[in-house]
Amino acid sequence: AQSVTQLDSQVPVFEEAPVELRCNYSSSVSVYLFWYVQYPNQGLQLLLKYLSGSTLVKGINGFEAEFNKSQTSFHLRKPSVHISDTAEYFCAVSDMITGGGNKLTFGTGTQLKVEL
Amino acid sequence: DVKVTQSSRYLVKRTGEKVFLECVQDMDHENMFWYRQDPGLGLRLIYFSYDVKMKEKGDIPEGYSVSREKKERFSLILESASTNQTSMYLCASRDPTDFREAFFGQGTRLTVV
Repeated sequence: AQSVTQLDSQVPVFEEAPVELRCNYSSSVSVYLFWYVQYPNQGLQLLLKYLSGSTLVKGINGFEAEFNKSQTSFHLRKPSVHISDTAEYFCAVSDMITGGGNKLTFGTGTQLKVEL
Repeated sequence: DVKVTQSSRYLVKRTGEKVFLECVQDMDHENMFWYRQDPGLGLRLIYFSYDVKMKEKGDIPEGYSVSREKKERFSLILESASTNQTSMYLCASRDPTDFREAFFGQGTRLTVV
């Protein structure tokens, strides 16, 4: 079984300040990790993903995340946020078992609110 | 671009009605998923399907069933709708062979009165 924990339900931050959204996962097998963003009244879209290789992954809109296997974490960061980054962010995990049946499990989400 | 289309954006149904939520994808993906999204609970997996007529229960399957008669279409069925099934329902599809991203529909906001 796999699970995802997003410790912060809401993160307020001022525009142009840095931000980190935390994500920890649990799994008995190796995993792939994802961050999705959901803007108001829209579906989810992929921000970035870690499949293998470099543990620092870069995504769209200036976001990046670092995979830390020893701490089972995949925190999302942006050095300078913009008002348009206000959205809900979801961390997700998928196990590496091939074939059918590999689930995609989401965390409870973190609402990022950027203020002027 | 992959497109995942959910048949309705907003739906209002009465308690006890049988409700069908339809989802169609155009990329020949084998994996399809149904999630419900509630404030503070994130996305919870209801059912997923890894091939035609193949399905597995997710974390919260009670009160729901699914149908996958064709590869491109995955239907979620509420056999007898109840008020606690009022929620946002999201469909997604994914190609399982390269573990890339899942593509989501716009969601169906279902209200059961």
